[in-house]
Amino acid sequence: KAGVTQTPRYLIKTRGQQVTLSCSPISGHRSVSWYQQTPGQGLQFLFEYFSETQRNKGNFPGRFSGRQFSNSRSEMNVSTLELGDSALYLCASSLGALVGNTGELFFGEGSRLTVL
Amino acid sequence: AQKVTQAQTEISVVEKEDVTLDCVYETRDTTYYLFWYKQPPSGELVFLIRRNSFDEQNEISGRYSWNFQKSTSSFNFTITASQVVDSAVYFCALSEAYRDDKIIFGKGTRLHILP
Repeated sequence: KAGVTQTPRYLIKTRGQQVTLSCSPISGHRSVSWYQQTPGQGLQFLFEYFSETQRNKGNFPGRFSGRQFSNSRSEMNVSTLELGDSALYLCASSLGALVGNTGELFFGEGSRLTVL
Repeated sequence: AQKVTQAQTEISVVEKEDVTLDCVYETRDTTYYLFWYKQPPSGELVFLIRRNSFDEQNEISGRYSWNFQKSTSSFNFTITASQVVDSAVYFCALSEAYRDDKIIFGKGTRLHILP
């Protein structure tokens, strides 16, 4: 079956701009999580959506937001970009709401954002 | 608070050697899950294993094995007879399943298998 698809794979923006990243989960998966990966901080949890509701949020400023659509596709948005937002943004999907019970996250290849 | 520590930032071994990746975790809960993920150069993380806190049995899958010890809060991962294709970044992760629904990852260990 098709995996998790993230678009775009690469993008370059300048400070102050905003960006929207898209994630299509595996068919049938209703939970989508977003992570930011940087060399210094590793993988940091951004937020998780299940059935169009944000159920959990990491410690990121309000410039980072997201949403999930009725077909489980998700988008995340970063406004007023800063140099420190340069990172690989990973999306992961899972079947159910309790990630510990389902046991497995399926990740996309990520969207690599460079802020100049 | 949840925390996962992978003290080894980078490891290099020669092909066919055994290598162990360390993982130490902290949690307030008695019910939790531990994971290992592999991130090859393509970027996507690949699930390797999940272990719940009530199952301390060690697990072996081919050349991979995992040693879970609650007494030391460790969940170490060993690759025997390493191969070049094992080169990747490996992440250990923790989920307190009934407290919140996010997985907390360690910072990863970059493993280089030299031919």
